[in-house]
Amino acid sequence: AQSVTQLGSHVSVSEGALVLLRCNYSSSVPPYLFWYVQYPNQGLQLLLKYTSAATLVKGINGFEAEFKKSETSFHLTKPSAHMSDAAEYFCAVSEAKAAGNKLTFGGGTRVLVKP
Amino acid sequence: EAGVTQSPTHLIKTRGQQATLRCSPISGHTSVYWYQQALGLGLQFLLWYDEGEERNRGNFPPRFSGRQFPNYSSELNVNALELEDSALYLCASSSERLNSPLHFGNGTRLTVT
Repeated sequence: AQSVTQLGSHVSVSEGALVLLRCNYSSSVPPYLFWYVQYPNQGLQLLLKYTSAATLVKGINGFEAEFKKSETSFHLTKPSAHMSDAAEYFCAVSEAKAAGNKLTFGGGTRVLVKP
Repeated sequence: EAGVTQSPTHLIKTRGQQATLRCSPISGHTSVYWYQQALGLGLQFLLWYDEGEERNRGNFPPRFSGRQFPNYSSELNVNALELEDSALYLCASSSERLNSPLHFGNGTRLTVT
């Protein structure tokens, strides 16, 4: 079965600093990878997705992620953190066709932005 | 385009009771997925419905069940509620295209006392 590991359940960054959230996956087939964000008391919002077209994927709100097959990683970055980026971020991998578009999620990383 | 809608937003039940949660997918989406987000346990896959049929279920007991209606909306039923069922239940929909992203609703917060 495919799985996702997010390193660091909590990350604290200063406003204006780089945001780096780590995600490693395991998959026996080429994966489809996603990053979602969850604001308090809300559902998950899609930030970006990797579907093999390009290894560097740009998403909404200034976020981007780079797929590195050799490292089985899909880390999420944003050059300059904003207070509104405070939220929980989830990396996810798409399962095989037999499970439709079911996603398996990592444990999430909560981002705190300090002024 | 209206997003995924879930009702109710909050639900308080007593242990042993039954809870019914509802979900309306994005127009044109035929697949509905249910996830449980319990404190400290992350997002756990519950059920997948497509074209009115249950296609896949996660590692949950049979008292978690549901159905999908002809209009593709869905219901999640939880019988014999236990305290540990307290969680945010998220519904998501996707198109039938393989590896399309899931679009999530804002969830139903279920509290079991």
